[in-house]
Amino acid sequence: QSVLTQPPSVSGAPGQRVTISCTGSSSNIGAGYDVHWYQQLPGTAPKLLIYANNNRPSGVPDRFSGSRSGTSASLAITGLQAEDEADYYCQSYDSSLRQVFGGGTKLTVL
Amino acid sequence: QVQLQESGPGLVKPSETLSLTCAVSGFALSRSYYWGWIRQPPGKGLEWIGTIHHSGTTFYNPSLKSRVTMSVDASKNQFSLNLSSVTAADTALYYCARLSGSDYSGFNYWGQGTLASVSS
Repeated sequence: QSVLTQPPSVSGAPGQRVTISCTGSSSNIGAGYDVHWYQQLPGTAPKLLIYANNNRPSGVPDRFSGSRSGTSASLAITGLQAEDEADYYCQSYDSSLRQVFGGGTKLTVL
Repeated sequence: QVQLQESGPGLVKPSETLSLTCAVSGFALSRSYYWGWIRQPPGKGLEWIGTIHHSGTTFYNPSLKSRVTMSVDASKNQFSLNLSSVTAADTALYYCARLSGSDYSGFNYWGQGTLASVSS
């Protein structure tokens, strides 16, 4: 049971928009700690996709965006492409547990 | 370009200690930043193990704290993880990574991971 809750899977057709939610509590996201998102392609290490809620590292397409509100955060992907098929994880800081990750969401491009 | 490379034994017997090393290149580990270990059991999600500051201060996952020790060797520009009394549940791909800033930031540099299996 992960401290941050994500849907196990989401799917969408090429070109569509999908969102992945990340639900926490008052000791992590709700406390105002930043949320970060990672993309993990099959057989590779996670890659930082969004940092501090809504910032993209250099090289990440602007099709990826993040938001945070209350005790939750979301990752949105627009103009879905086949290469976006991957596992996505959210991460934040928890006042008791320190670094916490979501359970991960598998994105399938139909 | 910052690069991280994990190394370890690959196979560890139950009840023994798993020892892993992360070699850092392209950045002097002693200068700054927090450095961490994250693991991923086969087919499962990511679990934070612990973080070590360049000064040597450590922070551990409460669920693993009694079995984890992390250290820095600035002379070799590497940091290490020891996980004692391992069981099959500790079988996982172990990643080392660097936090991009404070303890509240994300991990922006990752190693490729090293698989550690616990079996007799």
